Amino acid sequence: DAMVIQNPRYQVTQFGKPVTLSCSQTLNHNVMYWYQQKSSQAPKLLFHYYDKDFNNEADTPDNFQSRRPNTSFCFLDIRSPGLGDAAMYLCATSRGAGGYNEQFFGPGTRLTVL
Amino acid sequence: RKEVEQDPGPFNVPEGATVAFNCTYSNSASQSFFWYRQDCRKEPKLLMSVYSSGNEDGRFTAQLNRASQYISLLIRDSKLSDSATYLCVVNGNTGFQKLVFGTGTRLLVSP
Repeated sequence: DAMVIQNPRYQVTQFGKPVTLSCSQTLNHNVMYWYQQKSSQAPKLLFHYYDKDFNNEADTPDNFQSRRPNTSFCFLDIRSPGLGDAAMYLCATSRGAGGYNEQFFGPGTRLTVL
Repeated sequence: RKEVEQDPGPFNVPEGATVAFNCTYSNSASQSFFWYRQDCRKEPKLLMSVYSSGNEDGRFTAQLNRASQYISLLIRDSKLSDSATYLCVVNGNTGFQKLVFGTGTRLLVSP
């Protein structure tokens, strides 16, 4: 089945220790997104790629970076995680960037910062 | 005013009940609307897309009122498995599809 895959599902890191989260998709979608979701809050868009074009949200901290080496994979790098970065990180994809393109989410990576 | 507003609930209903959730949005230029379902500690999953005045899929009916900037989700004959958080999601414009999420309405269906 075509899907969005995230690895690892659970990640524990130490304060200040860099961490990379991975997302892959078999849907062959053009757009990939990274969201951060904290408990009882709505998902918050961090950035997205339309093909290789990177788009950062204005309020995404510099601590967060992303790479998309090819159509299928996208990575979220957190350079120096703080306690406030503990959250669920969701990857999503959509076929295009027009108004009617539905987004499909991966299962998420739950990040714990010690 | 938040871009997308929902009653957080929880809505506690017995099995078999009909329940309705409301959602209001602030951007009158929004053109597409979605309801996602999110189970505890899981990812959001697309439940329904609403592109015109409404959409129906089995026990689920979504209605859109553009004049009032209001979307509703009706669930008939509630099942225990319907217990989840329902996220109202609005697409902001016709360009890049930035989804604006509501904080969700929690539904608890009891036996």
